[in-house]
Amino acid sequence: AQSVTQPDIHITVSEGASLELRCNYSYGATPYLFWYVQSPGQGLQLLLKYFSGDTLVQGIKGFEAEFKRSQSSFNLRKPSVHWSDAAEYFCAVYSGSARQLTFGSGTQLTVLP
Amino acid sequence: ETGVTQTPRHLVMGMTNKKSLKCEQHLGHNAMYWYKQSAKKPLELMFVYNFKEQTENNSVPSRFSPECPNSSHLFLHLHTLQPEDSALYLCASSFGPGDTEAFFGQGTRLTVV
Repeated sequence: AQSVTQPDIHITVSEGASLELRCNYSYGATPYLFWYVQSPGQGLQLLLKYFSGDTLVQGIKGFEAEFKRSQSSFNLRKPSVHWSDAAEYFCAVYSGSARQLTFGSGTQLTVLP
Repeated sequence: ETGVTQTPRHLVMGMTNKKSLKCEQHLGHNAMYWYKQSAKKPLELMFVYNFKEQTENNSVPSRFSPECPNSSHLFLHLHTLQPEDSALYLCASSFGPGDTEAFFGQGTRLTVV
């Protein structure tokens, strides 16, 4: 069965600093991978997704993620964090056989002024 | 605004009460989902509906009863809940259960007292 691990429960960065959120997945076939963001009191919003092709994918709000098959990772990055990026971030993998998304536990991002 | 609307946003209910959560989408999607989001845990898929037919029930207790009268509306009927059922309940929709990208509502924050 597929699984997603986000090793960092909580990350704190200063505004303007770079950011990397880690995601590792377990899936037997070529994965479909996603990053979602959840602001306080809100639902999940899709940041970006990887299906195939270029392993570096660009998303909304200046985020990007890189798929590394050898490391089973799909880490999310942003070169310069803004205070409005404070939120919880979820990595997810789609299982074609189960036809459902499996989510990680999330990483809470705090941005210091 | 994702196009998926959930009401109410907040709900406090006693263990003997009966209440319902509502989800509505006008995105032309045919699949709708209920997820449970508890603190410090990954999102748990509860139910999946495709063209009004339930296709997934992930071992959810019978005190949660879903209803999908049409492809645009999804309900979650609640009765005799337990305090541990307190969570954020998220509705999502997609073009089909095989479609990878889901659009989420803002959720209903449920507190069982």
